[in-house]
Amino acid sequence: KQEVTQIPAALSVPEGENLVLNCSFTDSAIYNLQWFRQDPGKGLTSLLLIQSSQREQTSGRLNASLDKSSGRSTLYIAASQPGDSATYLCAVRLPDTDKLIFGTGTRLQVFP
Amino acid sequence: ETGVTQTPRHLVMGMTNKKSLKCEQHLGHNAMYWYKQSAKKPLELMFVYNFKEQTENNSVPSRFSPECPNSSHLFLHLHTLQPEDSALYLCASSRDRTSYEQYFGPGTRLTVT
Repeated sequence: KQEVTQIPAALSVPEGENLVLNCSFTDSAIYNLQWFRQDPGKGLTSLLLIQSSQREQTSGRLNASLDKSSGRSTLYIAASQPGDSATYLCAVRLPDTDKLIFGTGTRLQVFP
Repeated sequence: ETGVTQTPRHLVMGMTNKKSLKCEQHLGHNAMYWYKQSAKKPLELMFVYNFKEQTENNSVPSRFSPECPNSSHLFLHLHTLQPEDSALYLCASSRDRTSYEQYFGPGTRLTVT
């Protein structure tokens, strides 16, 4: 059974720091991995999607890497800003299914 | 705005009430999803529809009844709910059910009293 874990559960940092959020999954047989951002009481915004054949994806200050064999993904946030404060979720899609399996998220607070 | 809207945004209902949640997507997608997000638990997939046909029911109790009249609209009909059903219910859509990103609506915050 696929399980997704995110560490740390919460993170509080001063503005300007470079951050690494971690996501691990127990079964390396995934179709893709997606990182989302969720603001309090709101829906999810897709940040990056990495196909299983890819190693990384970049969008602006965000970079996500995928090491399928070790069951790990990291989300790197460069030069963090207070507007980055949110909960970050990773999710893996199982092959040949509709299912996204989500982690419990990392709650990030960036203070000025 | 992600192109996926949900109404109502907040709902309080008693255990004997019947209510419906509505989701609409303006993205031309073919797959739509219902998720449940409870406090301190991972998002749980409830139902998947692809081209109006249900392709996934993740062992959801029958007091939750989905309906997908067309590829742009998805409903979740609720009846005789329990307090533990209180959660944020999120709708999502994607171009198809396999390889593409899912786009989420803002959710309906449901409280069952």
